[in-house]
Amino acid sequence: DQQVKQNSPSLSVQEGRISILNCDYTNSMFDYFLWYKKYPAEGPTFLISISSIKDKNEDGRFTVFLNKSAKHLSLHIVPSQPGDSAVYFCAASAAYSGYALNFGKGTSLLVTP
Amino acid sequence: GAGVSQSPRYKVAKRGQDVALRCDPISGHVSLFWYQQALGQGPEFLTYFQNEAQLDKSGLPSDRFFAERPEGSVSTLKIQRTQQEDSAVYLCASSYNRGPFTEAFFGQGTRLTVV
Repeated sequence: DQQVKQNSPSLSVQEGRISILNCDYTNSMFDYFLWYKKYPAEGPTFLISISSIKDKNEDGRFTVFLNKSAKHLSLHIVPSQPGDSAVYFCAASAAYSGYALNFGKGTSLLVTP
Repeated sequence: GAGVSQSPRYKVAKRGQDVALRCDPISGHVSLFWYQQALGQGPEFLTYFQNEAQLDKSGLPSDRFFAERPEGSVSTLKIQRTQQEDSAVYLCASSYNRGPFTEAFFGQGTRLTVV
């Protein structure tokens, strides 16, 4: 049963505009959320994370928002750049499961010039 | 090396063959994870080591899957009598410690194709 869902398989955005990637989860025990970025033929690389005690975390062009009541998080990239084109995975973890990562299926972002 | 290294990068196995996949974590990293990523899916947790101890193997899909990390460094994921549904990318990740605020670094993965 998929506990982390990314319902948009792909997203296309123009360079300079905002990219918004969405993620929903079902397990209320999750207390830590992460975004990973993956280029073809490479392993996922950590991008940004947020603890459940916060509702926003910002790192440069990347901001993650968490809405616990809606069990929803989103990643905002602004301004988007062509080098941001990659697959983005949302992941969640919980203390009771030793913080093993539960991943969504990913969203493929294409930033066009 | 500077990152997590996995070998081989690609492996083609005939159905029924045994395979062994290797992971060299970042030096000094205590935690090591194995994930399986099927085509079009996100990575799914297989097993976790803290040093040489396998603390969680709840994600291993069957008793044909076996992982070890005998000296707390290099790890091997072994799949016996491979089947077509085992075809996937197998990802290894390591981290300095385990917990919510510890970043896990992933290797490039081993793409296993069972024919």
